[in-house]
Amino acid sequence: DAKTTQPTSMDCAEGRAANLPCNHSTISGNEYVYWYRQIHSQGPQYIIHGLKNNETNEMASLIITEDRKSSTLILPHATLRDTAVYYCIVRVEFTSNTGKLIFGQGTTLQVKP
Amino acid sequence: GAVVSQHPSWVICKSGTSVKIECRSLDFQATTMFWYRQFPKQSLMLMATSNEGSKATYEQGVEKDKFLINHASLTLSTLTVTSAHPEDSSFYICSREAFFGQGTRLTVV
Repeated sequence: DAKTTQPTSMDCAEGRAANLPCNHSTISGNEYVYWYRQIHSQGPQYIIHGLKNNETNEMASLIITEDRKSSTLILPHATLRDTAVYYCIVRVEFTSNTGKLIFGQGTTLQVKP
Repeated sequence: GAVVSQHPSWVICKSGTSVKIECRSLDFQATTMFWYRQFPKQSLMLMATSNEGSKATYEQGVEKDKFLINHASLTLSTLTVTSAHPEDSSFYICSREAFFGQGTRLTVV
């Protein structure tokens, strides 16, 4: 089971911030929140991950609630190229011999002009 | 740049033939890699774990004799779809740690 719940779809206007929520109420203390996206007919692309602190990189920001039961991925200035399916996944941190991911249905983000 | 490379990106084959898909780890030796399958409008489903130097571990419902996995080196895992049928047409994706290949679109005609 994916252990996460995401809205099926969302729309966002180009240039505006896209805020994608994810619920993970059963997350364990050693599990991280990972976000991926998949543009049509491509492999999933890693975006960001975090444990309990908010994280930011060149692609996005990740806000994790204090109780860690939910998180929000923020794309600060969405472009048409950000249209994709976004997956929120919880798992222990990757090591050299691990990597299995259980994907849920994700959120289809449609960025509109 | 990409750290996991798949080849080919797409392939069309006749029903009854076998198709091999390669997955290479470009920057790191990988003792473990993963194979997923994705049908249209569905999420990725894990098929199997590829283990260097030993047998692959298959998920429930995946036929190990149909989807042969070989991980003979620390940088290469291969998935062979044997005796392919139209229902095997799908998007096959490999991964290493947090990183995925670009996927292979298989169409069986």
